[in-house]
Amino acid sequence: GESVGLHLPTLSVQEGDNSIINCAYSNSASDYFIWYKQESGKGPQFIIDIRSNMDKRQGQRVTVLLNKTVKHLSLQIAATQPGDSAVYFCAENLGTQNSGYALNFGKGTSLLVTP
Amino acid sequence: SAVISQKPSRDICQRGTSLTIQCQVDSQVTMMFWYRQQPGQSLTLIATANQGSEATYESGFVIDKFPISRPNLTFSTLTVSNMSPEDSSIYLCSVVYGFGYTQYFGPGTRLTVL
Repeated sequence: GESVGLHLPTLSVQEGDNSIINCAYSNSASDYFIWYKQESGKGPQFIIDIRSNMDKRQGQRVTVLLNKTVKHLSLQIAATQPGDSAVYFCAENLGTQNSGYALNFGKGTSLLVTP
Repeated sequence: SAVISQKPSRDICQRGTSLTIQCQVDSQVTMMFWYRQQPGQSLTLIATANQGSEATYESGFVIDKFPISRPNLTFSTLTVSNMSPEDSSIYLCSVVYGFGYTQYFGPGTRLTVL
C-alpha cells in the first residue's frame, strides 16, 4: 500500500558538517509534510513542516526541500552539532477530507554526530 | 506550544492485566491522537480521540483492546486491555491546536508487559 519511507536507516556526520536526511513518499495526494526529531527516551519534537504548494522552507539551521515530481522530501541540517544526534522521522498528511489530521510516519533515520 | 504530560511515564505490567494511560494538556486543543511506537520502530496511529463521542480507530486497532476516552478539550485516556508481551511499546499522545495540521507529542509512556 501507500507508504512513507526513508532511504537510509543511519547517518553518521562530523560535528560542523551539514547533514541531509532523505524521505520518499508514494501517495501523490499527500498535502502536508512534517519532520520530527526524537531523542532517546523522549517523544517526537516538531522541527519543521511544509505544504505541498511549496518547494522549500527554512528554519533555524534547518531546511526542508520537497520535490513533488519524484515524491521526495529532505531535511538539511546546517553545521550539525552533537545535540542534533537523534532519530529523525518524516511524516505525511494524506490531505483528504476523510483522513482528517492523520499522520503517516516513515521508518526513521538515526543521526549520529561525531566530534 | 502548550505543555503535554502523560502518566505514568513508564510501567511494568503482568500479562492479562490492563493499564490506563492519561494525557493532559494545559490548554484547549482541537484534536487528540494516540500512537504506538514498538521498540526500534516508527509511530503507528492507534486512534483519534473524539471529545464526547467514540474514538475513531485505525485498521488493526479495536475498541475492546484499546478503549479511549476524551471527556473534555484537555484530557484523554488510553487503556491497554488484557495485555500480552506484544503490547510492550511506547504509547504517545499528540495534539493539534486550532485549525492547523501540526501534531505536538507528549513524552510517551513506556510499557513493558511480562
